[in-house]
Amino acid sequence: KAGVTQTPRYLIKTRGQQVTLSCSPISGHRSVSWYQQTPGQGLQFLFEYFSETQRNKGNFPGRFSGRQFSNSRSEMNVSTLELGDSALYLCASSWDRGPGQTQYFGPGTRLLVL
Amino acid sequence: QQQVKQSPQSLIVQKGGISIINCAYENTAFDYFPWYQQFPGKGPALLIAIRPDVSEKKEGRFTISFNKSAKQFSLHIMDSQPGDSATYFCAATVQPGTGNQFYFGTGTSLTVIP
Repeated sequence: KAGVTQTPRYLIKTRGQQVTLSCSPISGHRSVSWYQQTPGQGLQFLFEYFSETQRNKGNFPGRFSGRQFSNSRSEMNVSTLELGDSALYLCASSWDRGPGQTQYFGPGTRLLVL
Repeated sequence: QQQVKQSPQSLIVQKGGISIINCAYENTAFDYFPWYQQFPGKGPALLIAIRPDVSEKKEGRFTISFNKSAKQFSLHIMDSQPGDSATYFCAATVQPGTGNQFYFGTGTSLTVIP
């Protein structure tokens, strides 16, 4: 099976712009989670989608949003970019709910905000 | 508020030595504790995981020790090799009934010196 794919891999934006990142989960996986990774904060949970519905949301401002399509592919959007949004954005997928569900991560999208 | 606390932040070990990374948590509802390994430019990859009803799990050179009463768990890498040089994250998750949410430690950068 192909792994989790994320596009684009690298992105440079300027403050005030918006950005959309895409994630294709492993075939058959219905849960997609997004994380922000920075050197100082580590991995911070953004949100999780399951069957096109947001199930969980982390402690991020409303500028961060996401959605999931019927084929489980997911996008996240960041509006009005700030310098502090520069980070590696990781997507992870898993099969379903239930204890011990393994999350499989994609390679991430590295976003640089100038 | 950091749900999972990880230490040390960085670790240097001689080839053949034992690498030990520790994590502590507060939420007794956590029911799954995975460890992830991340190489530069890659997303985290699941290394080994444990459930709270088990005190130890071993897979090859990697062992998780789990102390439920102390709310601590640790990763031991025996016979550490230069190829083990990576960043390691502990994590914990709880199923609140409405989805998965993983909480990650801040990571440990391991360097194994030949």
